[in-house]
Amino acid sequence: AQSVTQPDIHITVSEGASLELRCNYSYGATPYLFWYVQSPGQGLQLLLKYFSGDTLVQGIKGFEAEFKRSQSSFNLRKPSVHWSDAAEYFCAGDQTGANNLFFGTGTRLTVIP
Amino acid sequence: DAGVIQSPRHEVTEMGQEVTLRCKPISGHNSLFWYRQTMMRGLELLIYFNNNVPIDDSGMPEDRFSAKMPNASFSTLKIQPSEPRDSAVYFCASTETSEAYNEQFFGPGTRLTVL
Repeated sequence: AQSVTQPDIHITVSEGASLELRCNYSYGATPYLFWYVQSPGQGLQLLLKYFSGDTLVQGIKGFEAEFKRSQSSFNLRKPSVHWSDAAEYFCAGDQTGANNLFFGTGTRLTVIP
Repeated sequence: DAGVIQSPRHEVTEMGQEVTLRCKPISGHNSLFWYRQTMMRGLELLIYFNNNVPIDDSGMPEDRFSAKMPNASFSTLKIQPSEPRDSAVYFCASTETSEAYNEQFFGPGTRLTVL
């Protein structure tokens, strides 16, 4: 079945530390892949997306993600986390080509001073 | 642009009552999506529309759920009768077109509590 999985339910990092959130996909061909962020009480906002081309994708708020076909992964990274990055992060994939997204279960990020 | 607008933001109702959630997509967007978010099941796509036409409603959980889009600027999601297990946050999202790779813009959600 088509899906994305986020193995980490909750991650805590110190402000200023680096961050990597994991996402694995199980699609037959290269899917469209997205990372969204949800702040408390808010809707989701797109951070970045990948379909083809350069496997390192730059997004908003200093985030980047790298598509690795050999590992079926699309991990999200940030070199230095800010307290305002505390939120829930969702990886999503689509292989239908119709913007029919399948969301992972999310990873909640806590940032400590 | 005001973004995707959803109303109400919070709804508390009793089991058996009819609930109607409303969504106004971003002007000019041709695709609209309804999602449900719960702790147990995460974020699930319920139904989506292209040019006001329902394309895929396979995510609608039961016949108690129905969605309409009478025009390009308005959609409703109705639950009748409501049950406690329908308690969730319901999100509406819109995109410019139905093509993949388009960013979905999400509304703030409606938090539904069914007692």
